[in-house]
This record gives sequence, structure tokens and C-alpha cells, in this order.
Amino acid sequence: AQSVTQLGSHVSVSEGALVLLRCNYSSSVPPYLFWYVQYPNQGLQLLLKYTTGATLVKGINGFEAEFKKSETSFHLTKPSAHMSDAAEYFCAVSEDTNAGKSTFGDGTTLTVKP
Amino acid sequence: KAGVTQTPRYLIKTRGQQVTLSCSPISGHRSVSWYQQTPGQGLQFLFEYFSETQRNKGNFPGRFSGRQFSNSRSEMNVSTLELGDSALYLCASNRAEGTGELFFGEGSRLTVL
Repeated sequence: AQSVTQLGSHVSVSEGALVLLRCNYSSSVPPYLFWYVQYPNQGLQLLLKYTTGATLVKGINGFEAEFKKSETSFHLTKPSAHMSDAAEYFCAVSEDTNAGKSTFGDGTTLTVKP
Repeated sequence: KAGVTQTPRYLIKTRGQQVTLSCSPISGHRSVSWYQQTPGQGLQFLFEYFSETQRNKGNFPGRFSGRQFSNSRSEMNVSTLELGDSALYLCASNRAEGTGELFFGEGSRLTVL
């Protein structure tokens, strides 16, 4: 069985500060990991994904995440927060990249203060 | 390229009624999945359809059902609505060819009174 834990349901940073959103996963097989972002009244949009290969993954809007198998973590970072980054972020795990079934974390709401 | 389209975007129903939601995936995507999003339970997987067959199913009662048509469009139905069914229902499509990423629609927000 697979599961995802996002540490911190709310994270607040100042504009220009480092963004760090934490995600730990559990999977019985090598996982495929994703970060999605959701703006108010919208669906989810993929930020980045890890399937195989390089453990440091770069995504859109300056975000990146590092897959650490030993720590079962896939934390999302961005060096400098922008006001437009304020949204809800979801970490997800899938055991089958051919399938549409992913398990999502509870989400982290990011607030960016001016 | 058009994204995933869900209709209707908003709807209000009363307890005991039924509702049908529609989803048109991105052209060429053969897999359609449905998720329920609520403040208390987060994002919960309902089911996935691929080539008109249900391929995966989440842990929801039989009141929740779906189907997929030959053009990959999908519908989900909820019968005998309960207050707890109030949620944002999200449809997602994927190419089902090893990428794993989901492309979501904007959702259908269902309110049950």
C-alpha cells in the first residue's frame, strides 16, 4: 500500500524567502512521485515529477524537489518565493505510471507575505 | 490543445436525488480518473476508466458509479445523495503510456442540501 504524509498543513514565508514543503511517502514498490499545485477554484496542475533517473527534479515556476530513498522523502523547494506562489500544494505517489490512480497527501497551503 | 473539460462546474442538489457529472479528457488520452476533494478527507480516488473498462476502484460505496464512452469521455453518477457527498469532484486524464502525470479539469462543485 502507498501513502503520503505532508508535514505542515500551512506554511507562511516572506516574499523572496526560501520555500520548503515537506513530503514523506510509503510505497511497497519503487515509487513515482509528483507535486501538484492548486489555485483557488481550479483543478490541480503538475509542478514536477520523479519517475526514474536523476534524483533532483526541476519543475515549472522555479520549483525543484529531491528524491531521497533512504529518507523516503520528496521535499519541494524554491529559492525565492513570489506572491504568485500562494496556493495549495499536494504531494502524490503512484505505483503505476500507466494508471490514473495516485495517492495524495493532505496538502500544504502556502502563504506568501509581502 | 484543449484541456480536460468538466461539466457542470457548479450544481446544487437535495438529499436523495442523483447527479451525473461529465468529463471530456485531453484528446488522445485514454485514461480518465475521478477524485473527490473535501476539506476533511482531502483528495480521494474514486475510480479510473481505460478503454471503456473500469481499471481501478477506490473505497467508495456503490452509490458512486461511472462509465467511459468509446471517445474516452466519461461520466460519473452519484445516486441517493447524502449531505456528505458535497465536494469538488475532479476528473483527470492521462496518456496511460508510462508518464504517470495527471491532467486535471477544474472540477464540478456539488452542494447537497
